[in-house]
Amino acid sequence: EVQLLESGGGLVQPGGSLRLSCEASGFTFGNSFMSWVRHAPGRGLEWVSGITGPGGGPYLAASVRGRFTISRDNSKNTVYLQMVSLRADDTAIYYCARTHYDASGYYHDYWGQGTLVTVSS
Amino acid sequence: QMTQSPSSLSASVGDRITITCRASLSITTYLNWYQQKPGKAPRLLISAASDLQSGVSARFGGSGSGTDFTLTIGSLQPEDSATYYCQQSYSPPLTFGQGTKVEIK
Repeated sequence: EVQLLESGGGLVQPGGSLRLSCEASGFTFGNSFMSWVRHAPGRGLEWVSGITGPGGGPYLAASVRGRFTISRDNSKNTVYLQMVSLRADDTAIYYCARTHYDASGYYHDYWGQGTLVTVSS
Repeated sequence: QMTQSPSSLSASVGDRITITCRASLSITTYLNWYQQKPGKAPRLLISAASDLQSGVSARFGGSGSGTDFTLTIGSLQPEDSATYYCQQSYSPPLTFGQGTKVEIK
């Protein structure tokens, strides 16, 4: 059974930092593209970042480029999202998602339960 | 950029509904559809514009190519109350549409 377990969310002040983790199990993690997707209150889904199985890319949405960094440790089956210079509009539930890729494109076939990040003074 | 319409709709059980997604550039059939219910993670319904995922009801259907796509629910059921999102799947950033909230009358 595929499982994705996010952790690391919480309350942080504007300008602060936070590191999210997502521990995976039930599939060959090192071969899998992984993504972070967020859902802000009252807003839609936003794809935030992605990284290939060997750690390539990485890919970042324009809204977080220069502030967020994605990385992974395949020995620990874990992907990370380091977030600095956090702003109020980064407040959201952050989901980790396994991202399948083939000739027909990318899609997120498994999702974690999400971790809440609140940026507020 | 992905643009969905309508932003919300209300329909009765048994109705056929259609949600539209338009891409700013051609993405051939690199288009996914997701369903999200309150407090839950999104669920993949359709990939590659029309490929129904295993376990998804056959009342869901996807079509389109290029810039214009549709998600159709053939006979709306109470459990279909949710927000639906399209997503371009060609290359990162994997942009989502803004969502369509479907309510049951």
